Amino acid sequence: AQSVTQPDIHITVSEGASLELRCNYSYGATPYLFWYVQSPGQGLQLLLKYFSGDTLVQGIKGFEAEFKRSQSSFNLRKPSVHWSDAAEYFCAVGAGNNDMRFGAGTRLTVKP
Amino acid sequence: NAGVTQTPKFQVLKTGQSMTLQCAQDMNHEYMSWYRQDPGMGLRLIHYSVGAGITDQGEVPNGYNVSRSTTEDFPLRLLSAAPSQTSVYFCASSYEQGSLQYFGPGTRLTVT
Repeated sequence: AQSVTQPDIHITVSEGASLELRCNYSYGATPYLFWYVQSPGQGLQLLLKYFSGDTLVQGIKGFEAEFKRSQSSFNLRKPSVHWSDAAEYFCAVGAGNNDMRFGAGTRLTVKP
Repeated sequence: NAGVTQTPKFQVLKTGQSMTLQCAQDMNHEYMSWYRQDPGMGLRLIHYSVGAGITDQGEVPNGYNVSRSTTEDFPLRLLSAAPSQTSVYFCASSYEQGSLQYFGPGTRLTVT
């Protein structure tokens, strides 16, 4: 089965600084890749997804992610972080049978 | 559209009790899933369904049963609750295999 690793449990960045959250996956075929965000006490909101085509994917709230097959990675980036971006971020990989696996999450703290 | 709804929002059970977590979606999605979210472990897939009458096990199915008698509903049953099942449970649906999933607001379950 597929699996996802998010190496960073917690990241702190200053407001206005750039952000990169790492995600590595393991899957034998071309995966479906997702990034979700979860604010405290809330459900999950999809930021962006990759199915095929252009490996640089644009999402909501100014986020983007790049699929790199050679590195089995799908890192999430944002050029300038806002205080409202503080949340937990989950990378997920889907197979063709609706079996999705999530990473353990990266908690983002934004310093003023 | 109400999207994906879950009831109850909160529940406290005693060890050995049974209960059913309800999940419904009004988007005519074929695919539905149940996840549990535990600190430091991300979301783990419990069971999923690719259509009415069809269910399959995910990553952590033990202690849980599901059924899918209609497209709209996908209840999760705990037959004999254990403290290890204390978690937040999310239901999700999607319109095709491997596509993005819409998540419900979650049910926070505590087993004492």
